Amino acid sequence: AQTVTQSQPEMSVQEAETVTLSCTYDTSENNYYLFWYKQPPSRQMILVIRQEAYKQQNATENRFSVNFQKAAKSFSLKISDSQLGDTAMYFCAFMKQRNAGGTSYGKLTFGQGTILTVHP
Amino acid sequence: DSGVTQTPKHLITATGQRVTLRCSPRSGDLSVYWYQQSLDQGLQFLIQYYNGEERAKGNILERFSAQQFPDLHSELNLSSLELGDSALYFCASSSPFRLTDTQYFGPGTRLTVL
Repeated sequence: AQTVTQSQPEMSVQEAETVTLSCTYDTSENNYYLFWYKQPPSRQMILVIRQEAYKQQNATENRFSVNFQKAAKSFSLKISDSQLGDTAMYFCAFMKQRNAGGTSYGKLTFGQGTILTVHP
Repeated sequence: DSGVTQTPKHLITATGQRVTLRCSPRSGDLSVYWYQQSLDQGLQFLIQYYNGEERAKGNILERFSAQQFPDLHSELNLSSLELGDSALYFCASSSPFRLTDTQYFGPGTRLTVL
């Protein structure tokens, strides 16, 4: 079974600064995906960024980037130039890569979440 | 807007009752997933359907059941409701062909059991 751990229950940052959210995971799988989802006060779950385990290059999406360390089973999210709209709960999630048969295993395993507050 | 729709947005009911939550996936997505988010359990995977067939099962109670219809919409049925079933229920969908298996979430249904 996979486990995902987010050790920072809460973080805060000033607007325009950079913040890094931590995530570690435990798995015996070699092929998998990692995700960061954002849940603002509206409670909608919004995909922030995704990383394939077989890719050595770290994923980036505009102000969001990850530091993926496969051997250390670490997957941190860096938010640059923080904005007030980044205030949300952030979830790290793991999913096994689907088999050659075509259909996914489906299960996303989530961490406990980190509440990020961006202050003006 | 993720393209995944869920109805109703809010549901208030009493213990012992039965409710049905509905989900329509994004256009072209064949997989539908159900998740439960509660304060004590966090976000937990319940069940997955792919093109009408059950594909994976998580921590879904026997009082809960789901199905996916030929038009690919899905329903989650919760029966003999207990106070502890109060939670936010999310539906997500994905495609094996676009951004492989990335799940996009609907806005959720907030269930309150009184």
